[in-house]
Amino acid sequence: GIQVEQSPPDLILQEGANSTLRCNFSDSVNNLQWFHQNPWGQLINLFYIPSGTKQNGRLSATTVATERYSLLYISSSQTTDSGVYFCAGPFDQTGANNLFFGTGTRLTVIP
Amino acid sequence: DAGVTQSPTHLIKTRGQHVTLRCSPISGHKSVSWYQQVLGQGPQFIFQYYEKEERGRGNFPDRFSARQFPNYSSELNVNALLLGDSALYLCASSRTGAGANVLTFGAGSRLTVL
Repeated sequence: GIQVEQSPPDLILQEGANSTLRCNFSDSVNNLQWFHQNPWGQLINLFYIPSGTKQNGRLSATTVATERYSLLYISSSQTTDSGVYFCAGPFDQTGANNLFFGTGTRLTVIP
Repeated sequence: DAGVTQSPTHLIKTRGQHVTLRCSPISGHKSVSWYQQVLGQGPQFIFQYYEKEERGRGNFPDRFSARQFPNYSSELNVNALLLGDSALYLCASSRTGAGANVLTFGAGSRLTVL
């Protein structure tokens, strides 16, 4: 199955700073998603982005499928951005939307 | 509209016992998936059900089983609990079980095995 590596594993930012999180995957994917897990464990889908660029407020994501990586940009970070960010690719090649998650990037935003 | 609801939110069991976790999907969603998240790791796929049939299975032992009911709600059952089964169990729903359908996750059931 696919392998997903995320970097950095941990990140500490001052409020207002910008950051870039990276996700490398071992094979071509047609289903790449970014999630945010808040400190209470709730997992929220941020982007479905198998290729190209999408933006949603202060967050944007870019996937370069031919080079097998995706980037998540967080601008003007806020304390509510704290938590763990996961990228996830397809669990298998069946076409089902089951996901294989990376190990995550833990983000802490300091006031 | 209600999101994905899971019950119970927390539970404590002892080794060897059995546990049943429940999930109700978003209205209109016909696919339910289960994930296990051990502390400090990303969620791991356990099962997917779509239209009451198993459509995918992860690398978990036969102690884990699940089913989906006619109203699309689902149960995850774990027999002969081990200490290593302690985890957050997440349920996700989507309209269908394939393609570009985004998963929406519930808040999870946190299981502690003593």
